[in-house]
Amino acid sequence: DAGITQSPRHKVTETGTPVTLRCHQTENHRYMYWYRQDPGHGLRLIHYSYGVKDTDKGEVSDGYSVSRSKTEDFLLTLESATSSQTSVYFCAISPQRNTAYEQYFGPGTRLTVT
Amino acid sequence: EDKVVQSPLSLVVHEGDTVTLNCSYEVTNFRSLLWYKQEKKAPTFLFMLTSSGIEKKSGRLSSILDKKELFSILNITATQTGDSAVYLCAVRAGGTSYGKLTFGQGTILTVHP
Repeated sequence: DAGITQSPRHKVTETGTPVTLRCHQTENHRYMYWYRQDPGHGLRLIHYSYGVKDTDKGEVSDGYSVSRSKTEDFLLTLESATSSQTSVYFCAISPQRNTAYEQYFGPGTRLTVT
Repeated sequence: EDKVVQSPLSLVVHEGDTVTLNCSYEVTNFRSLLWYKQEKKAPTFLFMLTSSGIEKKSGRLSSILDKKELFSILNITATQTGDSAVYLCAVRAGGTSYGKLTFGQGTILTVHP
């Protein structure tokens, strides 16, 4: 257990509404990541953070924004949800022991955009 | 663009069989390769490999990396129904990647009793 929680765990929302997903960690790790998982695509990186207020885009960042105002929280926002953003969203942290960067995942949020 | 390809995409075996899952990659400035197991929930970390030819083992699971040929294999011996899952391979590039991982599409393993 890497001390990661995600909220909400399930959400159904309508097209055009804003949605914010929260990732919370209890172990003060510096690196945090947001992925989405869709059938046939594996896990794809949306955004990541390498410190408070330090974030950058991943490979599928269009339509998403993130914020990290505290070490423990990494927020993912869909400004105006679309049906193509229906997916399972995973947050991950990296303890970065020495030069290792293995990642540990939160339980996921299933988002449905109708 | 970094690329990770896993094969086969799906595999059905019976308990007791041995399986080999493959992962090939094209990554600029390779640093490490990771294997995850995903049942109907979040991926769980299995192994990380950074050096070529070194085998990592955990019980019936083992993995080896070939940095020259740019691939890794995950072996599972004496499979059990509890091994049924999606197995994900991911690679990490160096530089200012901050640990970003590129994942393959996964291999779905089904083990029948």
